[in-house]
Amino acid sequence: KAGVTQTPRYLIKTRGQQVTLSCSPISGHRSVSWYQQTPGQGLQFLFEYFSETQRNKGNFPGRFSGRQFSNSRSEMNVSTLELGDSALYLCASSQTTSGSSDTQYFGPGTRLTVL
Amino acid sequence: AQSVTQLDSQVPVFEEAPVELRCNYSSSVSVYLFWYVQYPNQGLQLLLKYLSGSTLVESINGFEAEFNKSQTSFHLRKPSVHISDTAEYFCAVSDFGDDKIIFGKGTRLHILP
Repeated sequence: KAGVTQTPRYLIKTRGQQVTLSCSPISGHRSVSWYQQTPGQGLQFLFEYFSETQRNKGNFPGRFSGRQFSNSRSEMNVSTLELGDSALYLCASSQTTSGSSDTQYFGPGTRLTVL
Repeated sequence: AQSVTQLDSQVPVFEEAPVELRCNYSSSVSVYLFWYVQYPNQGLQLLLKYLSGSTLVESINGFEAEFNKSQTSFHLRKPSVHISDTAEYFCAVSDFGDDKIIFGKGTRLHILP
């Protein structure tokens, strides 16, 4: 089975722009979670989608949004980029919800740099 | 609310020496416990997990972790580390019946030659 894929792998944007990141989960997985990873804050939960519905949301401003399509692929969007949004954005998929005994399978991440 | 504490942000250890990475969680309700590993420039991958049964769980590469309910801990150990174990290790917890998983801030393991 193919693993979780994320595109693009690297992205450079300037302040004020917006960006869309994509995540394709493992085939058959219905849950997709997004995390922001920075050296100072570690791994912070952004949101989780399950069967096209947002199930959970972390403490991030409304500039961060996401969606999930019927094939379970997910996108996250960040509008009005700020310097502090520079981070590694990780996507993870699991068969059921993230908060269960299921293993989460992570993609390699998208490294976003905001100049 | 559940929280996870990894007290050590970095742990240096000599090759072939033993290591323990500490993890404590806040809630005493029934939990699922996980250790994930992130090698340089890669995503996280599951190292081992505790769901129920024996409190000692092992991974295929020699790591083990012991669930201690009274101390709300799930420390990760390896009796002899190798240079290839250089990575960042994340402890994670999920409460029964909750649909969230909470990660610790990670511990970076440095293997010294």
